[in-house]
Amino acid sequence: QQPVQSPQAVILREGEDAVINCSSSKALYSVHWYRQKHGEAPVFLMILLKGGEQKGHEKISASFNEKKQQSSLYLTASQLSYSGTYFCGTEIAGYSTLTFGKGTMLLVSP
Amino acid sequence: DTGVSQDPRHKITKRGQNVTFRCDPISEHNRLYWYRQTLGQGPEFLTYFQNEAQLEKSRLLSDRFSAERPKGSFSTLEIQRTEQGDSAMYLCASSLAGGRDRDRQYFGPGTRLTVL
Repeated sequence: QQPVQSPQAVILREGEDAVINCSSSKALYSVHWYRQKHGEAPVFLMILLKGGEQKGHEKISASFNEKKQQSSLYLTASQLSYSGTYFCGTEIAGYSTLTFGKGTMLLVSP
Repeated sequence: DTGVSQDPRHKITKRGQNVTFRCDPISEHNRLYWYRQTLGQGPEFLTYFQNEAQLEKSRLLSDRFSAERPKGSFSTLEIQRTEQGDSAMYLCASSLAGGRDRDRQYFGPGTRLTVL
C-alpha cells in the first residue's frame, strides 16, 4: 500500500520551517526519506526504524510514531538548497522493498 | 566516482522495439533494485536482486519486462515490444543488506526512456 504524504506542496521563504508527513495503513518496519531535485536522482536523507526514534541531519530531522504508523520530516530554518520533492519510502516488516509516496514538493524562495 | 551508474542516460525508441538498460551498483553492495518513475510520482518498485538471485518482482510488472544480474555485479533491464506507456525514468539503486546503513539505498542517475 502506497504511503500518503501531506501536504502535496509547500512554499516557504528562506528561514521558515516546514513539516512533511507520511502515513501508512500497514505496520511499518522502517521509513526512508529522500529528496529529489528536478532531473536528478533521489538523494538519501535518513532512515527511521520502528521504536519512535527521532533522528537529525543538520537542520533536517524526522520522527517515527509506531502507534500511528506515521513519520514526520522537520525542516527548520529552510535554505534555498532545500527546494525539491521529498519522498518517504516505507518498509513493511518481512519485506525488503520500499514503497514510495507521491512526494511533497517544497519550494524555498529568497 | 564510486556511485551507482546507469547506461544509457537517455533512450528514444519506436513503439514495438526492444530496449536494454544497464546498471552498475556500488561495488560492495549485494542488493540491487530497479524502479520506474513517471512525472509527479514517486519511484515505483519493479524488482530486486540479492547477489545474482532475483528475490522479488512487482505484480504490476508486465511479462515484457525482464531483469538479470548474472554474476551478482551489474544488472540489465530489458523491455520487449515497447509501448508508449513505458515512457518513464528507470532508476537503479543498490544497498548493502545488513550493513551499518541498514539497507540505505543509493540511487543512480536514471535512464530516461521515450517511446514514440
